[in-house]
Amino acid sequence: GQSLEQPSEVTAVEGAIVQINCTYQTSGFYGLSWYQQHDGGAPTFLSYNALDGLEETGRFSSFLSRSDSYGYLLLQELQMKDSASYFCALSGFAGNMLTFGGGTRLMVKP
Amino acid sequence: EAGVAQSPRYKIIEKRQSVAFWCNPISGHATLYWYQQILGQGPKLLIQFQNNGVVDDSQLPKDRFSAERLKGVDSTLKIQPAKLEDSAVYLCASSPGGAGSEQFFGPGTRLTVL
Repeated sequence: GQSLEQPSEVTAVEGAIVQINCTYQTSGFYGLSWYQQHDGGAPTFLSYNALDGLEETGRFSSFLSRSDSYGYLLLQELQMKDSASYFCALSGFAGNMLTFGGGTRLMVKP
Repeated sequence: EAGVAQSPRYKIIEKRQSVAFWCNPISGHATLYWYQQILGQGPKLLIQFQNNGVVDDSQLPKDRFSAERLKGVDSTLKIQPAKLEDSAVYLCASSPGGAGSEQFFGPGTRLTVL
C-alpha cells in the first residue's frame, strides 16, 4: 500500500514564506501532486512533480526527492486567501489514481 | 468550459436507507473518479473509471457501495444500506487521462447518516 505523512497544522504571517513537508512510503509511484482545498470547497490542483527537483508555478513551488521519499510545497508572499488545507498525493502507475495524505491546515495571520 | 457537476449537494438520511449520487464530468474527460472525504481527512479513492470500464475499485466496500458509468459519461454512486460511518463528502473528479494529469473536482455531496 501507500501512505503519506504531513504536518496537521502550520501557521505563518502574511507576506512570509512557508514550507509544507510530505514524506511517503510506497513500493512505486509515478509522481507527486499537491492540491489546495478551502473549507467547504473542492480540491484544486496546484503542482505536480514526476521527476526529482523543483517545479515553480507563480508563488507556489513543489519539490520531490525520490531517494529521500520526500517532497514539499513552498508558498511565497503568503496572502490571507492562502489559508486552506493542502494535500500531497501520489499518482499510481494504473492511470493516475491518487492516494492523498491527511492534509496540512495552513493558517495565515495578518 | 463547464466544470464537474454533482447532485445533490446535501443529503440527510437515516441509517439503513439507500442513497444515490450523480456526477457529470467535464466533456471529453475519459477518466472519472469517486472519492470519500471524511471530515478532517484527505480524500480516499473509492473507484476509478476509464471510459465506462473500471480501472480500480479495490477500496470500494462492495457489500454496500456500487457505482456505474453510463455510456462512458455520467456516473452514479449508490450506498445501500447506509451506515453511520458513511457520513462524509463524496467527491467526483475527472481528468483527460494519462499519468500525472490534473484531476478536476466537483463541489461534492455532503452526506449525513443519522
